Amino acid sequence: EVQLVESGGDLVQPGGSLRLSCAASGFTFSSYSMNWVRQAPGKGLEWVSYITSSSNTIYYADSVKGRFTISRDNAQKSLYLQMNSLRAEDTAVYYCARGLISSLSCMDVWGKGTTVIVSS
Amino acid sequence: QSVMTQPPSASGTPGQRVTISCSGSSSNIGSHTVNWYQQLPGTAPKLLIYTNTQRPSGVPDRFSGSKSGTSASLAISGLRSEDEADYYCAAWDDSLNGVLFGGGTKLTVL
Repeated sequence: EVQLVESGGDLVQPGGSLRLSCAASGFTFSSYSMNWVRQAPGKGLEWVSYITSSSNTIYYADSVKGRFTISRDNAQKSLYLQMNSLRAEDTAVYYCARGLISSLSCMDVWGKGTTVIVSS
Repeated sequence: QSVMTQPPSASGTPGQRVTISCSGSSSNIGSHTVNWYQQLPGTAPKLLIYTNTQRPSGVPDRFSGSKSGTSASLAISGLRSEDEADYYCAAWDDSLNGVLFGGGTKLTVL
C-alpha cells in the first residue's frame, strides 16, 4: 500500500525550531518529487515547499523562505522539513504529498498530517 | 499579487449538477495545468482531477474538470451527500515560483 506518514509535530514557543519527518512506503520514493503543504485551523491549503527526486531543485513559499529547509533521504525513504524561527502564523497541520512529474502542482498521495502549534 | 479565486461556497440537492469555478491569471492557469482536490471533513486532501481533465483511478466519472484560458471549472453531476466537502483548485504560478491553491469552496448538499 502506498503510504506517507508524517511525524514530529508539537507545541513550540515562538522563535523555536522543529523538524518534521515524512516516512514513505509502498512505492519507489527516489523516483518522485515531494511537497509539504499546510493548513491553518479553519483555513485553506497553503503550499510550503517542493523538492525534486534528486534534491537538485527546491522551491519555497515566500512565507517560509529563509526559515524552513526541505530535504530528503532517498535511502531512508524519508522527507524532512526543518522549521526555524517559528511564528504563531506557522500553526497548522502539515501534510507531505507526493508529486507527479506531469504537473508541478499535482500531488497524488497525501499523508494524514502532523500538527504544529506555535504558542507561548 | 498572484491569486486564484474560487467561490467560498456552493450548494445543490441530491442528483443535481454543480460547478465550481477557479479564476486565475496568465502566470498560473493560463500557463500551467490545473488540479483539483477534495477534502472531506477531518481528513487529508485527495487528488480529484489532474492535468485539467483527468481522473485518477477510483474517482467516479460524476466528477469532471475543464479549463479555458485563465479559468478552470470542476463539475459534479448526480450530486450525492458524500460529496459534501471542501474543494480546491491548484496550479503552478510562474510569478511565485511555487504552487498556488485557490481559496477553496465548501460544497453543501442540501
